[in-house]
Amino acid sequence: SAVISQKPSRDICQRGTSLTIQCQVDSQVTMMFWYRQQPGQSLTLIATANQGSEATYESGFVIDKFPISRPNLTFSTLTVSNMSPEDSSIYLCSVERTAYGYTFGSGTRLTVV
Amino acid sequence: AQRVTQPEKLLSVFKGAPVELKCNYSYSGSPELFWYVQYSRQRLQLLLRHISRESIKGFTADLNKGETSFHLKKPFAQEEDSAMYYCALPPNGAGSYQLTFGKGTKLSVIP
Repeated sequence: SAVISQKPSRDICQRGTSLTIQCQVDSQVTMMFWYRQQPGQSLTLIATANQGSEATYESGFVIDKFPISRPNLTFSTLTVSNMSPEDSSIYLCSVERTAYGYTFGSGTRLTVV
Repeated sequence: AQRVTQPEKLLSVFKGAPVELKCNYSYSGSPELFWYVQYSRQRLQLLLRHISRESIKGFTADLNKGETSFHLKKPFAQEEDSAMYYCALPPNGAGSYQLTFGKGTKLSVIP
């Protein structure tokens, strides 16, 4: 199965600033997904990122707040912009399904103060 | 729309007791379901999927289409089983490629 390296693993940020989260995959994948996991909640899909096209955002998420880059088939970034304490969550990336199912990054635990 | 329901937010059992984590689903067509587990401060990882009919770490899950359920079971809980467990459905329909997760159940195994 694909191996995903996600960083940073955690960060504490000031409100109003931005944080960029990176995910590197050890194989080429067409689709990458970004999820948010708020405290005590399940995973919510933020957007789907395909290489060579604009990311597709789910209802409630907008590009200005969560810009995504997908420069090649092994890498993607998610930026959390103009952060507020409500953005404190775990952010995870995932890739399209393989024979082994869906693989997830280790997550980025973000705390906004 | 497809939906996954995990009715229990928290389940506490004593070590050695049987465990059943409930999952019900709503899905058009023939579903393929997954259980994911997230141990403390570790990444989300696949525990098992129903099509493989395997037992991982002593856990099994049987798809019951009549009851639209995919409950996760283990006959004797161990302390290391304490974790968050998520039931998930794969994409259904054109333009959909991501998993749909339930809200998760936190399993706490009491020594």
